[in-house]
Amino acid sequence: GNSVTQMEGPVTLSEEAFLTINCTYTATGYPSLFWYVQYPGEGLQLLLKATKADDKGSNKGFEATYRKETTSFHLEKGSVQVSDSAVYFCALSDLDNQGGKLIFGQGTELSVKP
Amino acid sequence: GAGVSQSPSNKVTEKGKDVELRCDPISGHTALYWYRQSLGQGLEFLIYFQGNSAPDKSGLPSDRFSAERTGGSVSTLTIQRTQQEDSAVYLCASSLPGQGVGGTEAFFGQGTRLTVV
Repeated sequence: GNSVTQMEGPVTLSEEAFLTINCTYTATGYPSLFWYVQYPGEGLQLLLKATKADDKGSNKGFEATYRKETTSFHLEKGSVQVSDSAVYFCALSDLDNQGGKLIFGQGTELSVKP
Repeated sequence: GAGVSQSPSNKVTEKGKDVELRCDPISGHTALYWYRQSLGQGLEFLIYFQGNSAPDKSGLPSDRFSAERTGGSVSTLTIQRTQQEDSAVYLCASSLPGQGVGGTEAFFGQGTRLTVV
């Protein structure tokens, strides 16, 4: 079945460091890919998405490119801030069933130190 | 409402008791999902509704878990004879139905933190 694998955390970086969180997926068909973020004490919210191969999603300085050839959707940010500390979830939309059930990776905790 | 609303926000129950968790999705969202987030774990899919029907119940952990949705709106997740391993945050999300390969954004509620003692 469809699945998502993320790099394990926690990831600890200093402010202004470069961030990469790896995400790979297994899917039949052509799913859409998402990154969700969960800030401390808050609910999950969409960070960015890409709906087809070679699309780049971007938001708040984060970006991720849908790579069909490597089945990847790695999250990157050039210069992280303390406020980026959160848990990041990679997800795909499972279109095997009618509708768009989301399948999530296990989450990667990011901690940014001043 | 403005967002997905879940109640209660916190629930402490004794082992063996039944609990009901409620989700009010965003108005007009026909798709509704329940997920479970255990300490140190990722998001575990439980069940997905499209309208009032549940085309995918594959994530329900056991027959103690059930869910229903009425009027294409409110959903209730029921856990019977709760066990300590049921302790987790139960998240509800809603979205517009998928449109081909367009994918859909899911909007999440704040969750219900269930503690079984």
